[in-house]
Amino acid sequence: QVQLVQSGAEVKKPGASVKVSCKASGYALTANFLHWVRQAPGQQRLEWMAWMNPNTGVTNYAQKFQGWVTLTRDTSINTAYMEFRNLRSDDTAIYYCARMTAGSTSYIDLWGQGTLVTVSS
Amino acid sequence: QSALTQPVSVSGSPGQSISISCTGTISDVGAYNSLSWYQQYPGKAPKLIIFNVNYRPSGVSNRFSGSKSGNTASLTISGLQAEDEADYFCSSYTSSDTLVVFGGGTKLTVL
Repeated sequence: QVQLVQSGAEVKKPGASVKVSCKASGYALTANFLHWVRQAPGQQRLEWMAWMNPNTGVTNYAQKFQGWVTLTRDTSINTAYMEFRNLRSDDTAIYYCARMTAGSTSYIDLWGQGTLVTVSS
Repeated sequence: QSALTQPVSVSGSPGQSISISCTGTISDVGAYNSLSWYQQYPGKAPKLIIFNVNYRPSGVSNRFSGSKSGNTASLTISGLQAEDEADYFCSSYTSSDTLVVFGGGTKLTVL
């Protein structure tokens, strides 16, 4: 079954770091770009954070996350990671990894189940 | 502020049809046919229901349809059912280096 399986919920204190994993199952991680998107609890808005080309390791970050977020991957275990440093309370959100299709038309066709990161003192 | 503009909420009665608009620019919706729609229930991840403007993934009801004209796309849900009550998001490929942009989401209430 093709799916993205994310790591479990995290509770962190302000200033801490969190590393969320996203394991691709049923397909090769390197075959598709992977985006990270977050959604604040109770809010509709999806906020785009960054993407990675898992084949090359090339990444691109939204300006507001530059320097705070790092995307990495381990192709040997088909897993991507999003590390967020110096967390603040307003970073409390559900973090999703999402696969983008390859080819002449590109869209997100598959989402992870989401990882709730709670930042609280 | 989201890159694509959607109404915050829409509502309809069972059996009716509703449409949700998604307005972008010549750099995204107007430039590409990579326009997709997602359905999201509370506490769940978004689920793809329309891709490439008007194609449905396997398993998605044919009550969902999409269209596009210029910089505006639309999702139409016909024969509204209680189970359609959810949030709906549009997304487009974009020429910017983000590659994708999202709408702000529309909450559909089935009266």
